[in-house]
Amino acid sequence: GQNIDQPTEMTATEGAIVQINCTYQTSGFNGLFWYQQHAGEAPTFLSYNVLDGLEEKGRFSSFLSRSKGYSYLLLKELQMKDSASYLCAVRDRLYAGNNRKLIWGLGTSLAVNP
Amino acid sequence: KAGVTQTPRYLIKTRGQQVTLSCSPISGHRSVSWYQQTPGQGLQFLFEYFSETQRNKGNFPGRFSGRQFSNSRSEMNVSTLELGDSALYLCASSLSGGDQETQYFGPGTRLLVL
Repeated sequence: GQNIDQPTEMTATEGAIVQINCTYQTSGFNGLFWYQQHAGEAPTFLSYNVLDGLEEKGRFSSFLSRSKGYSYLLLKELQMKDSASYLCAVRDRLYAGNNRKLIWGLGTSLAVNP
Repeated sequence: KAGVTQTPRYLIKTRGQQVTLSCSPISGHRSVSWYQQTPGQGLQFLFEYFSETQRNKGNFPGRFSGRQFSNSRSEMNVSTLELGDSALYLCASSLSGGDQETQYFGPGTRLLVL
């Protein structure tokens, strides 16, 4: 089956570092996305991983371990504007080609406090 | 380049009515996907259109339907509305819907069914 797990809520302090974990089970992994969604707004793309390792993009980094079915999003030097929901989504190879879709986690709501 | 636009932004309907939502993708994008987002279920995939053809479909009842026009604009229709259809409906576009392509989301249509 397909399943994605993320913590429901996290709290962190401005200027700190926070790691948001995502574990997944798929029939055939074919890429993982992280999106940020502020309340009342559309999700916006943060990162994409398809190979094992760390992808760094400014204050945000994303890590993937395919053997463990695990990814994390690392946010450094937290700012108040980082308060948002962070969504993990996995592409399943079983659904490649003409029968494709992303499987989405429920999201992690991050609150950054001063 | 203009982003994904959706109309209307807010909608209130009563049970039994039908509704049509519209999505205009980013210029040049030919793949449009529709999602339903609720607090309890997260993002649920409805369907994907490419070149006026439904290429993929999620697990929603037949009351949910869609179409895509030659200019890549897409509409989704929900007939015989139920209270449980109250949700944020998001559309996302990408160039061709490739596995590694980023999806760009519109602001969504918030539907309330009374």
